[in-house]
Order: sequence, then C-alpha cells, then structure tokens
Amino acid sequence: KQEVTQIPAALSVPEGENLVLNCSFTDSAIYNLQWFRQDPGKGLTSLLLIQSSQREQTSGRLNASLDKSSGRSTLYIAASQPGDSATYLCAASKSGNQFYFGTGTSLTVIP
Amino acid sequence: DADVTQTPRNRITKTGKRIMLECSQTKGHDRMYWYRQDPGLGLRLIYYSFDVKDINKGEISDGYSVSRQAQAKFSLSLESAIPNQTALYFCATSDSSSGAEGYTFGSGTRLTVV
Repeated sequence: KQEVTQIPAALSVPEGENLVLNCSFTDSAIYNLQWFRQDPGKGLTSLLLIQSSQREQTSGRLNASLDKSSGRSTLYIAASQPGDSATYLCAASKSGNQFYFGTGTSLTVIP
Repeated sequence: DADVTQTPRNRITKTGKRIMLECSQTKGHDRMYWYRQDPGLGLRLIYYSFDVKDINKGEISDGYSVSRQAQAKFSLSLESAIPNQTALYFCATSDSSSGAEGYTFGSGTRLTVV
C-alpha cells in the first residue's frame, strides 16, 4: 500500500508570499501524482497531475514537481492570495487505478 | 451541469436504515470510485469499478455495497447505517485510456447517521 504524508498539517502566510507545500510517498513506483484543492465542505478540484515520466507541471501561479527517487512532490504557489486559502491534498497512484491520499495541508493566506 | 453529480448533497438518516447515494457522470470515463472522507484520516477508498461488469472492494468496504447500473452511474448503499458511517462521501471518475486526466470528483454527499 502506498502511504502518503503531507507536512505541515496547517500553514498560515501573509498575502503575497511564495510558499511550498510538501508531499511524501513511500513507494517510488508511482504512476501518477495529483494535487487537489478542497474548500471547506466542498468537493476536490484537480490542480495539477504529474505523470511518472514527468518532473513537473505548471498552471498559472502553481508549479508541482515530482522526485520519485526521494519519494517527494512539492506544490509551489507564487504570490499567494487570500483566495488560495483552502486545504491542499496530494494523491499518488501506483498503477493508474487507485489513488492514495494524504491528509492535506490547510492553508490560510492572511490579507 | 457538473461533470460528476452526486445526490443527495446532504442526508440525515437513522441507525439501521438502508440508504443509497447516487453518482452520475458525463465525462465518458469508464472507471468510477467511491471514497469517504473523515477528519484527520483523509480519503479512503470504499469500492471501485473499472467497467459495468467489474466491481472491486477498496480498503474499507465492510458495511457498504455498490451497483454499477451503467457506465455513467455508480451507486453506493449502506445496508444498515451506523453512526460511525457519518462522513463526507465522494464519487470520482477516471479514464483508463488516458493517464493524463487523473481523477475527477463530485461535490460530495454529507451523510449523518443518528
């Protein structure tokens, strides 16, 4: 079973700051790694998907990287905004079928 | 309309009752999943289906059953609801022909068992 860990569980930053969210996984033989955003009581919105052959993906102010050898992925958010406040989840898939989720990092961006 | 629709959005039911949560999708994906989310535990897989004739148990299937009525529809049943099944339930889909899309999630069903 793939174990996925996200540290810290909560993070608070002032608006405008660049920040990095961390995700680690135990099995380096992953197929995909996906980052999601979840607003309170809401569903999960996909942010970025990195396939195993890729090292990173970018969308707007977001950049996700994948280092399979070290079992780590990072989500970089540039110039954070209050609207970025949410819980960020990473999920790793070993076979493209089932994703294993971390428990998330709750981000608060202070105006 | 949402790509993945879950009904109901919220439900309160009594212990011992049978309840069904429904999921439908317009993505054309072949694979569908049911997850539950509990505070501090993350999302855990209950059941998944790779096509209409394929049903598989996830890590926490006890007390649940599923039905894949069509490629676009996947329902989750709680045969006899108990309070520790109170959680946020999510349906998700993926496409086996493309690894590029990952998961698409519904908005969730908040279930409370009293």
